[in-house]
Amino acid sequence: QSVLTQPPSASGTPGQRVTISCSGSSSNIGNNYVYWYQQLPGTAPKLLIYRNNQRPSGVPDRFSGSKSGTSASLAISGLRSEDEADYYCAAWDDSLSGWVFGGGTKLTVL
Amino acid sequence: QVQLVQSGSELKKPGASVKVSCKASGYTFTSYAMNWVRQAPGQGLEWMGWINTNTGNPTYAQGFTGRFVFSLDTSVSTAYLQISSLKAEDTAVYYCARECGSGTYKSYNWFDPWGQGTLVTVSS
Repeated sequence: QSVLTQPPSASGTPGQRVTISCSGSSSNIGNNYVYWYQQLPGTAPKLLIYRNNQRPSGVPDRFSGSKSGTSASLAISGLRSEDEADYYCAAWDDSLSGWVFGGGTKLTVL
Repeated sequence: QVQLVQSGSELKKPGASVKVSCKASGYTFTSYAMNWVRQAPGQGLEWMGWINTNTGNPTYAQGFTGRFVFSLDTSVSTAYLQISSLKAEDTAVYYCARECGSGTYKSYNWFDPWGQGTLVTVSS
């Protein structure tokens, strides 16, 4: 059971906009930054969004992150087939003194 | 470029030990902490802990104390994860990940890049 809660799956058609939610508590998302990682099939996770809404260089602006209270969201606009992957949210948890991840959301591009 | 290269897959019997290496290149090894993350087959990511690459001081997450040991060899810019008394439930892909950000406040930091992962299979 993951500390952060994500829907197990999401889907969309090419060109659509999809959002993936991540729910936590005051000890993690509520008082700390949220990070998003993308894991393409058979590969290692890759940083997608840092500090709630910042994109590393090389990450397309189709990806955006937001946070409100104890929840966060990842939005992907102009969906492409290569976006098919598992997406994980993460945050530091003050109570656990460690990082916690969501259970991951498998995005399918129909 | 910055990269982390991990050692290859391992097949071990229950009760044995395994040591996974993570060799860093493209940056000053001792300037960034190193984290370890586990991913069981078909499961999500689980943070195992981190090691201060300056002091060698490790911090283990709940559930990863006792049989798990983080270590370093700074002369070759390599971090290690050793697991002893292996159990079937230790079967997983283990990732090392460099910790980036402000350094002082963990909340401000993130993992980038990640190693390619090392599959450890425990089976009799």
